Amino acid sequence: AQSVTQLGSHVSVSEGALVLLRCNYSSSVPPYLFWYVQYPNQGLQLLLKYTTGATLVKGINGFEAEFKKSETSFHLTKPSAHMSDAAEYFCAVRYSGGYQKVTFGTGTKLQVIP
Amino acid sequence: EAQVTQNPRYLITVTGKKLTVTCSQNMNHEYMSWYRQDPGLGLRQIYYSMNVEVTDKGDVPEGYKVSRKEKRNFPLILESPSPNQTSLYFCASTPTGGPGEQYFGPGTRLTVT
Repeated sequence: AQSVTQLGSHVSVSEGALVLLRCNYSSSVPPYLFWYVQYPNQGLQLLLKYTTGATLVKGINGFEAEFKKSETSFHLTKPSAHMSDAAEYFCAVRYSGGYQKVTFGTGTKLQVIP
Repeated sequence: EAQVTQNPRYLITVTGKKLTVTCSQNMNHEYMSWYRQDPGLGLRQIYYSMNVEVTDKGDVPEGYKVSRKEKRNFPLILESPSPNQTSLYFCASTPTGGPGEQYFGPGTRLTVT
């Protein structure tokens, strides 16, 4: 069964510091990979997605993620954290098959310290 | 504006009182789904629908029902709510033909006492 692991349920960074949120998936078969962000009292919003091709994917709000097949990872980064980045972030994976075959990680809450 | 709407946003009810959470999307998406979000568990799929009149169970369907009579609407029904269904619920829709990114509604926070 496919699985997604997000290391660290809570991450704290200082404003202006590098943001690194980790995501590992369970299979060597290239999947579709997604990062979503959830701001307080809101639904999830797509940050970025990996399908095929370039392994470095750029998303909204200055975030990017790199697909590393050898490490089965899809870590999310941002060079400089802003206060507005405080939110919960979810990694999700879908393998070939129906659209119902999407598995979400358990989420990482990002705190940005002024 | 392209969006997924859910109603109500907040609901407090008592055990056993039937309720319906509505979900509607205006993007003509064929695929829709319902999730519940609980602390430490992430999102778990309750039911999904591939198209009108085509629905199937997700990972945690017990205690829930759905229907899909129109393409745009996908209501979630709790026939006899119990306290363990206290949760945050999200409806989502997906455009077919792509990688499967989902568009989420704003969520419904349900409390069953």
